[in-house]
Amino acid sequence: DVKVTQSSRYLVKRTGEKVFLECVQDMDHENMFWYRQDPGLGLRLIYFSYDVKMKEKGDIPEGYSVSREKKERFSLILESASTNQTSMYLCASSLSVDGGSPLHFGNGTRLTVT
Amino acid sequence: GQQVMQIPQYQHVQEGEDFTTYCNSSTTLSNIQWYKQRPGGHPVFLIQLVKSGEVKKQKRLTFQFGEAKKNSSLHITATQTTDVGTYFCAGPAAGGTSYGKLTFGQGTILTVHP
Repeated sequence: DVKVTQSSRYLVKRTGEKVFLECVQDMDHENMFWYRQDPGLGLRLIYFSYDVKMKEKGDIPEGYSVSREKKERFSLILESASTNQTSMYLCASSLSVDGGSPLHFGNGTRLTVT
Repeated sequence: GQQVMQIPQYQHVQEGEDFTTYCNSSTTLSNIQWYKQRPGGHPVFLIQLVKSGEVKKQKRLTFQFGEAKKNSSLHITATQTTDVGTYFCAGPAAGGTSYGKLTFGQGTILTVHP
C-alpha cells in the first residue's frame, strides 16, 4: 500500500518566517504534488514534480518554492510566510506522468501563520 | 486555464435519501477521477472513468462520464451516515502532456442526518 508521509500534522509559524513542509513517499512514484485546501475553494495545485530536480508551477505558485533532490522526497518552502498562507497543505504522489494514475495523499499539514 | 466546477457545494440529506453531485469541466477530459475526504481526513481515490458514456458502480455508488467527456456525476443510493464527507471530482486536460497534474472541483460536502 502506498504511503505518503507529511512531516507535521500541525504547524504554527510567525509572519516572515521561512517554513519547510516535507513529504516522503515510499512507492517509487514519478510524480509528486503540493496542493492547498481552503473552504469553498477545493484543492488548488501549488507545484508539482515529474522527476528528480524537475518542477513545474501549478495554479497558485506565488509565495512558494519547491525542492526535489531525491525521488521519494518533495519539499514545499514558504520563503517568507504570510497570514494568507494559513491553510491545509496536502502532498500527493502518483505513479505515471500521463494523468491516468490516481493520486495518493498524505494526511496533510495544517499551517497557521500568525 | 482549465476549470472544473462541481455542484452543489453542500448537500444535507436524511439517512436513506439519495444524493447526487455533478462535475463539469471547461475542457475535454482524458479521464475523470473521484475522491472522498472524510471529516478530518485526506482525499482518498474512489474510481476512475475513461470512456465516453462510461458508467461504473461501487455498491450504492454510481459514477457516470458524459458522452462529450466534459461532465460526470456521482449518485449515492440510500445514503448512510458512513457516506458523510466531501466528494471531489478531478481530471487532467486531454491532449498535450499534463505530467499527471489534476484539476479538482471545489467539492460537495455531504451531511447525512440519522
